[in-house]
Amino acid sequence: DTGVSQDPRHKITKRGQNVTFRCDPISEHNRLYWYRQTLGQGPEFLTYFQNEAQLEKSRLLSDRFSAERPKGSFSTLEIQRTEQGDSAMYLCASSLVANNEQFFGPGTRLTVL
Amino acid sequence: GESVGLHLPTLSVQEGDNSIINCAYSNSASDYFIWYKQESGKGPQFIIDIRSNMDKRQGQRVTVLLNKTVKHLSLQIAATQPGDSAVYFCAENPFTGNQFYFGTGTSLTVIP
Repeated sequence: DTGVSQDPRHKITKRGQNVTFRCDPISEHNRLYWYRQTLGQGPEFLTYFQNEAQLEKSRLLSDRFSAERPKGSFSTLEIQRTEQGDSAMYLCASSLVANNEQFFGPGTRLTVL
Repeated sequence: GESVGLHLPTLSVQEGDNSIINCAYSNSASDYFIWYKQESGKGPQFIIDIRSNMDKRQGQRVTVLLNKTVKHLSLQIAATQPGDSAVYFCAENPFTGNQFYFGTGTSLTVIP
């Protein structure tokens, strides 16, 4: 257990539905990251926060995806109008500073039917 | 329906043998590297890290070697155990970057 928690661990939804995932980072960590991982691949960066500010977004993050970290603590990732191609493991990580170890949560596995 | 297969590089070793997992990284500006271990259904777990001002770093049963000339990283696991069976990823972090770039991963299977 790294101290980063994610909820839910598994989500099955129908195409077109909206889903929201939550990440609780290690409490003193300022930086929070979202990654997506598909079968057989390494995690791919989606976005990151420094405290409550979202500072970088990948081109992978279409406008159906939105992330928030309203109080600089937990974060949510919402996917609107889900598509089958959104099926993946969504990983959250946190770190104390940039250019330093990121601690990953267990992930939320999304299946879009 | 369409099936998706796993096309990870694989490595099988006998319990007790040493394992070497290799990784080629892409960005010559990367100055920080981490090896992660990922077990099925779990998030990546930190194993060992190395910064670009070093070429070798040792941990408990693990050693990371960095060759910046050819942009190559390796992870050596001594006396491999069944619990070491997992997928191993190298991740690189450019000096000015805020994210890690992960390689494809290598699946290690330890045969008892």
